[in-house]
Amino acid sequence: GAVVSQHPSWVICKSGTSVKIECRSLDFQATTMFWYRQFPKQSLMLMATSNEGSKATYEQGVEKDKFLINHASLTLSTLTVTSAHPEDSSFYICSARDGRLGGNTIYFGEGSWLTVV
Amino acid sequence: AQKVTQAQTEISVVEKEDVTLDCVYETRDTTYYLFWYKQPPSGELVFLIRRNSFDEQNEISGRYSWNFQKSTSSFNFTITASQVVDSAVYFCALSEAGNFNKFYFGSGTKLNVKP
Repeated sequence: GAVVSQHPSWVICKSGTSVKIECRSLDFQATTMFWYRQFPKQSLMLMATSNEGSKATYEQGVEKDKFLINHASLTLSTLTVTSAHPEDSSFYICSARDGRLGGNTIYFGEGSWLTVV
Repeated sequence: AQKVTQAQTEISVVEKEDVTLDCVYETRDTTYYLFWYKQPPSGELVFLIRRNSFDEQNEISGRYSWNFQKSTSSFNFTITASQVVDSAVYFCALSEAGNFNKFYFGSGTKLNVKP
């Protein structure tokens, strides 16, 4: 079963509203999670690194005030798209590292489809 | 510069044909990982393989095989006797020693397997 879960899987929101997407590590604690965005028929691009207890690190060109990231616990990171616009419609997917037992396995969530109308 | 290049945007084959998906990467690190993921229409990423830069042995897993060649910076993926269920977008990805958790994805190759 999934070890990283995202919610919601699908969301439709009105232009101008905000929408929150959750990313949870189910069986392990993740001090760091990652958020990617995938536009239709394009590749996945890293948006930001979510750090538990501290500010997220954003990739160049990603507006931190528009894409708010909160990593308040060791198993949950949230991405809030503020004042969403149709051009924000995309597939958002998170990943987390399971570092237990000295391992270094990255797990991806199932992804969240956002449609802004 | 793009770190991972998948030159084939889309490939169509007939069931039972073999198909190879190309991946070329670029990195200055001597330690890195390479990955292949499958993305069906539902969107989730299905992990297929991870290879570290020190292991150039080719790998076979059922109908899947991977050819890693550091000399040409390539990590190609072959599906033997393709099936309709193999239809998906396949992504090659790279992570580097500076931050193994950060993935650089190729643009993906859409594979259509027709019955």
